[in-house]
Amino acid sequence: DAGVIQSPRHEVTEMGQEVTLRCKPISGHNSLFWYRQTMMRGLELLIYFNNNVPIDDSGMPEDRFSAKMPNASFSTLKIQPSEPRDSAVYFCASSSRQGTDTQYFGPGTRLTVL
Amino acid sequence: SQQGEEDPQALSIQEGENATMNCSYKTSINNLQWYRQNSGRGLVHLILIRSNEREKHSGRLRVTLDTSKKSSSLLITASRAADTASYFCATRNSGNTPLVFGKGTRLSVIA
Repeated sequence: DAGVIQSPRHEVTEMGQEVTLRCKPISGHNSLFWYRQTMMRGLELLIYFNNNVPIDDSGMPEDRFSAKMPNASFSTLKIQPSEPRDSAVYFCASSSRQGTDTQYFGPGTRLTVL
Repeated sequence: SQQGEEDPQALSIQEGENATMNCSYKTSINNLQWYRQNSGRGLVHLILIRSNEREKHSGRLRVTLDTSKKSSSLLITASRAADTASYFCATRNSGNTPLVFGKGTRLSVIA
């Protein structure tokens, strides 16, 4: 199995631009999580999906952030418009509810907003 | 919300020594997990211990859980330079909620 795949790995953009981060979970996993990691705030859960349905988006910082999961093999996290304080590493993780709830993380997308 | 908090925040040891990291949490849990994060990488699951277990081993890792004190410890024996990473505990409570991660312990193993 290829594991959780994220793209792009690095993104540098200017303030005000739209940013779209992509994630492909492990095949067969039915839960997907988006996290943000910074030195100041640590690892923050932004939103998670079960069976493609958003369950809890209370961690999404502002309306500028949105996430979708149109099917079981793809999810996006969009920031529009982006701001310098959005600079962070964004991780996607997936897990299977049929076994333990161990989460498998992708390699992350390092976002820099200038 | 409940959160695992690791202690210490940072730990520096010599290769060959044992490293002990602690995690405290606030409410009843279903299980507690430890993850490792190498610099620039995603988190990797190390070990899971259920609320009815007191100790678990995996290779050089030993995890203990004391539910009466709401705490867990991760022991890495005979540390190696490759163990240098951040270590996170994550708790899962009895409800239908996702894991909650602590802020991690940064371990440096000096060769």
